[in-house]
Amino acid sequence: QVQLQESGPGLVKPSETLSLTCTVSGGSISSYYWTWIRQPPGKGLEWIGYIYYSGSTKYNPSLKSRITISVDTSKNEFSLNLTSVTAADTAVYYCARGSGNYFSWGQGTLVTVSS
Amino acid sequence: DIQMTQSPSSLSASVGDRVTITCRASQSISTYLNWYQQKPGKAPKLLIYGASSLQSGVPSRFSGSGSGTDFTLTISSLQPEDFATYYCQQSYSSPPITFGQGTRLDI
Repeated sequence: QVQLQESGPGLVKPSETLSLTCTVSGGSISSYYWTWIRQPPGKGLEWIGYIYYSGSTKYNPSLKSRITISVDTSKNEFSLNLTSVTAADTAVYYCARGSGNYFSWGQGTLVTVSS
Repeated sequence: DIQMTQSPSSLSASVGDRVTITCRASQSISTYLNWYQQKPGKAPKLLIYGASSLQSGVPSRFSGSGSGTDFTLTISSLQPEDFATYYCQQSYSSPPITFGQGTRLDI
């Protein structure tokens, strides 16, 4: 069964770039869509965007100007870059497999935006 | 964006109770509706997809129904492990995919 693991800094300064990587194990990243979802502390889920293994992407319009999602099939991983972060970007960030429904999730990683 | 509204926002129930959570979409989404269960500190778990299809490994006490704009998640007989927060999510129109605000199910 495929497993996903998020990695990256847990603390990012305001105005800087949040960078996370999701490593996929137990299966190939090819032939699937891969998604980022976030959850501010104590709040609900927000869809960030997804990437197909070929590189095509769809982003949440509310974040589109600040997001880049990329994939590295040779490393079986995909990544999220979110620029110009503010405290409102503090959240648990999850990676998941799929484009419309999500059976496989990473455990999530808390990213705090603070100086 | 398609807005997803769940009711109630919170619910108190007892073991053995039958519980129903509703989800309403701001426009028709056919049956492109999924339900997730989330426990504290854990990632969401897919329970129901396509409005009524039970994900493999999910107990049969969970069921989903609905189409168009109105959907329900029913737990036929609550078990202690079912106390969690439940989210609906539409996959009819993206971007963006949208989630309901969640329903917290407490003892």
